[in-house]
Amino acid sequence: NAGVTQTPKFRVLKTGQSMTLLCAQDMNHEYMYWYRQDPGMGLRLIHYSVGEGTTAKGEVPDGYNVSRLKKQNFLLGLESAAPSQTSVYFCASSLARSTDTQYFGPGTRLTVL
Amino acid sequence: SQQGEEDPQALSIQEGENATMNCSYKTSINNLQWYRQNSGRGLVHLILIRSNEREKHSGRLRVTLDTSKKSSSLLITASRAADTASYFCAGGSQGNLIFGKGTKLSVKP
Repeated sequence: NAGVTQTPKFRVLKTGQSMTLLCAQDMNHEYMYWYRQDPGMGLRLIHYSVGEGTTAKGEVPDGYNVSRLKKQNFLLGLESAAPSQTSVYFCASSLARSTDTQYFGPGTRLTVL
Repeated sequence: SQQGEEDPQALSIQEGENATMNCSYKTSINNLQWYRQNSGRGLVHLILIRSNEREKHSGRLRVTLDTSKKSSSLLITASRAADTASYFCAGGSQGNLIFGKGTKLSVKP
């Protein structure tokens, strides 16, 4: 099993550009999450999904959109990137509850110039 | 709105010594989890302790939980250079898991 994978690993954008980050899991997990991690900060939840076709806002959702069309995939979109969105983005999944053990992907390092 | 807050923020020890990290949290929890993050990598789950448990062991890891004080500690015994990483606690209640800012552990050979 690959676990949780993320693409791309690195990306540089110019202000105003758009992009989509892809997360895939092969563990048949119901819950999936997108976090951002900034220096000196813990993880902050952007959006999450409790199952295929569902999404919900987390702590810092502004400027991001998500979609969960297939159970195994969770997409994070930035419609108009801003320098404040420069961060490392992590996707995670858990089996059946938000308080279950979470399994993380390797991260995507995004720089917005 | 961090649920967990780790202490100390940074810890530097020699190989073979024990490392203790503490976590305080704000609201009632169902469980408390500890994760490790190696530099440039994703988080890896270490151990989960439920609210009705007081102590749990896993290999060289020992976790305690004091719900009356809303605190937890992670002890790594006989540390190795490979234990160098950041360690995060995360409190799980009815909502989502909320992570602290982490303790950066450096184990010198």
